[in-house]
Amino acid sequence: AQSVTQLDSHVSVSEGTPVLLRCNYSSSYSPSLFWYVQHPNKGLQLLLKYTSAATLVKGINGFEAEFKKSETSFHLTKPSAHMSDAAEYFCVVSWPGTASKLTFGTGTRLQVTL
Amino acid sequence: EPEVTQTPSHQVTQMGQEVILRCVPISNHLYFYWYRQILGQKVEFLVSFYNNEISEKSEIFDDQFSVERPDGSNFTLKIRSTKLEDSAMYFCASRAVNTGELFFGEGSRLTVL
Repeated sequence: AQSVTQLDSHVSVSEGTPVLLRCNYSSSYSPSLFWYVQHPNKGLQLLLKYTSAATLVKGINGFEAEFKKSETSFHLTKPSAHMSDAAEYFCVVSWPGTASKLTFGTGTRLQVTL
Repeated sequence: EPEVTQTPSHQVTQMGQEVILRCVPISNHLYFYWYRQILGQKVEFLVSFYNNEISEKSEIFDDQFSVERPDGSNFTLKIRSTKLEDSAMYFCASRAVNTGELFFGEGSRLTVL
């Protein structure tokens, strides 16, 4: 079955330190991969996407993610966390032939402390 | 910047009542979606809509649910007879033809009492 797994439900980092949010997907086909962010009481905003071009994808707000086919991973990173990064982050996958139906991971809540 | 808008932002209803959630997708988009997120759970696909018909639906999308694009701009989700378990945040999304990126609205929170 096609699935996406976010390994951490909650990540806490100090402001100014690196962020790593982990994501793995099942490997039946070559998917399109996305990271979305949801701030409290807000909608889902696209951070970045991978669609079979460069494996290192740069997104908004300094975030980037690397597609590693051998590891079926698409981890999200940021060199230096900011307080405004505190939010829920979703790794999302779309498989070929599914009319862009998105499958969401369970989400990782990022907490940023002073 | 164009955006997907949803109304109402929050609706409280009694169990058994009909609810209509409205969405205005981005104007040149042709694919439309509804997703929902029950509190504390993952975002789940409900239905996709293209060319005035449902292209795919999940097992959640039973006979109590329907979608419509009545006037070329609005895209609605109707729940015929709400149940307690329909309480959730409902997200509308749309996308253009030549891209896989979905643009989401801010959601409509439905509370069924």
